[in-house]
Amino acid sequence: QQNVQQSPESLIVPEGARTSLNCTFSDSASQYFWWYRQHSGKAPKALMSIFSNGEKEEGRFTIHLNKASLHFSLHIRDSQPSDSALYLCAVRTGGYKVVFGSGTRLLVSP
Amino acid sequence: GALVYQYPRRTICKSGTSMRMECQAVGFQATSVAWYRQSPQKTFELIALSTVNSAIKYEQNFTQEKFPISHPNLSFSSMTVLNAYLEDRGLYLCGARDGGNTEVFFGKGTRLTVV
Repeated sequence: QQNVQQSPESLIVPEGARTSLNCTFSDSASQYFWWYRQHSGKAPKALMSIFSNGEKEEGRFTIHLNKASLHFSLHIRDSQPSDSALYLCAVRTGGYKVVFGSGTRLLVSP
Repeated sequence: GALVYQYPRRTICKSGTSMRMECQAVGFQATSVAWYRQSPQKTFELIALSTVNSAIKYEQNFTQEKFPISHPNLSFSSMTVLNAYLEDRGLYLCGARDGGNTEVFFGKGTRLTVV
């Protein structure tokens, strides 16, 4: 059974800082990996995804995936107050089932 | 674009009663629909996954007897919380995907309060 864990549970960083969020998974056959972001009172929305080992960058956001270590991460460069939200990592192992982590609550202080 | 609507947005029910929530996919075919619960502590739990032409699969700690789900077509799903108690409180999210798209699209959720 897939077990997805996130760390830290919450994080406060100053505006302009680099932020790192971590996610570990237990099923080595996992194939698809996402980060979702949920602003207060809103639906979770996919932020970025990665499907193969390595790194992917989109603007201020970078994902790293290391399947061998069962770990992937999200890095935010030049964090902004608007980045404050609940960040959820999600993993899919073949088929339709997507399992989410419990989330990291990020607060970027101005 | 792909949108998912959930209703009601908020509901209050008395302890021991039941309530039904609905999920509507617009702009894509909801081949699979997953129901999640986000607890007051923000834990994100998968309740069950419904895929067209397959049996609905419930996760550990969740049963069909407690959370019956209907997924009659590619645009609609509903879930009922039977005999609701305090521990059933939370935000219930519907996440839908089509067969060719790996992203899950979420509705804004139905917030259940049990009194």
